[in-house]
Amino acid sequence: DAKTTQPNSMESNEEEPVHLPCNHSTISGTDYIHWYRQLPSQGPEYVIHGLTSNVNNRMASLAIAEDRKSSTLILHRATLRDAAVYYCITSGTYKYIFGTGTRLKVLA
Amino acid sequence: GAGVSQSPSNKVTEKGKDVELRCDPISGHTALYWYRQSLGQGLEFLIYFQGNSAPDKSGLPSDRFSAERTGGSVSTLTIQRTQQEDSAVYLCASSLQSGRAYEQYFGPGTRLTVT
Repeated sequence: DAKTTQPNSMESNEEEPVHLPCNHSTISGTDYIHWYRQLPSQGPEYVIHGLTSNVNNRMASLAIAEDRKSSTLILHRATLRDAAVYYCITSGTYKYIFGTGTRLKVLA
Repeated sequence: GAGVSQSPSNKVTEKGKDVELRCDPISGHTALYWYRQSLGQGLEFLIYFQGNSAPDKSGLPSDRFSAERTGGSVSTLTIQRTQQEDSAVYLCASSLQSGRAYEQYFGPGTRLTVT
């Protein structure tokens, strides 16, 4: 499974959009791109996943670069409840390799 | 509906004792996973079940760790002769089926402290 690179931390103001980047330059053609987030003292929570096309759901949007070597998770309006560690994972199987993720701080 | 549940939520044990951690997956989910998260770290894959069989045990750190799943449902992770380095949060997840396109649903974890 491909290694992913994410910034250690990011800050955003409440009610503003947040763009969380992820680099996965060694991704293979059949690997999916998954995003999970982990709130304090909780298990990870699924956010979104995609393969090639951009994806939208009620939580977020996922923008995937044309060459698939990077992706961006977009939270359209950050709230205080979105403060969490966000993990970007690429996987061709069930086995997820979690890195240390991006810690998102949302400022009121 | 009910999510993944784990018990106990917290466990403190003395070095050298055995512990059992339990996971109840979402009903109907055929795949079940165990991960471990040490303080300030990402998650480390331990083992995966498809039904009652474990085709991938590659993440188990040593032979002191074992896991089983019965009835295609409940799973138990057992750590024998616990060591201080076993202290971590143990997370269980389940998915409808195994495979890269299926989202995994995580439980709240069991925090294990070995003194």
